[in-house]
Amino acid sequence: GAGVSQTPSNKVTEKGKYVELRCDPISGHTALYWYRQSLGQGPEFLIYFQGTGAADDSGLPNDRFFAVRPEGSVSTLKIQRTERGDSAVYLCASSLEGQGRVSTEAFFGQGTRLTVV
Amino acid sequence: SQQGEEDPQALSIQEGENATMNCSYKTSINNLQWYRQNSGRGLVHLILIRSNEREKHSGRLRVTLDTSKKSSSLLITASRAADTASYFCATPTQGGSEKLVFGKGTKLTVNP
Repeated sequence: GAGVSQTPSNKVTEKGKYVELRCDPISGHTALYWYRQSLGQGPEFLIYFQGTGAADDSGLPNDRFFAVRPEGSVSTLKIQRTERGDSAVYLCASSLEGQGRVSTEAFFGQGTRLTVV
Repeated sequence: SQQGEEDPQALSIQEGENATMNCSYKTSINNLQWYRQNSGRGLVHLILIRSNEREKHSGRLRVTLDTSKKSSSLLITASRAADTASYFCATPTQGGSEKLVFGKGTKLTVNP
């Protein structure tokens, strides 16, 4: 595809509901990342996939957050029992390989703006 | 926690002037990357500088890296109103983790 695609672009949900955010990475990119960005802040790391496996999920704030990438391509970020504090822009990025390599840049999607009311 | 810290937090200049943004980081790095973000949505990769490089150019962008001071700067020359955006530096963590760690960004406003 032309770039990283995230759907929906905007999501409004009620407190306590379950939401799923989808990320379609660039074809052939093995590394996929989820970030969360609050107003006025830089993106904060949530989880990193290398292929199908979550290689680093240390940024997930609690067990209400979960992400999957079952076939090593599309990824879904799932948030259970949403809270108002979960409101943020959720960004997905992909790269050819992990950022630990010397010359790998990440390509970001446009993000999903989640609002919990 | 955030690795990179940009300075200044906000910068307002006139079109045609140069804009300089600085970034400091804490740990050893393989590379440092600068990103641009319009209107709080997707980030666009601008430039990557490796730890063994001291300076890199791309169009009107010039990035320097001083690993002894753990700092980098981004210079935008002959700025345009369209350069108005937030600019972030990001560094990959080492020691097995592959994530990029971002600073809080510099909000640049270029006035026509």
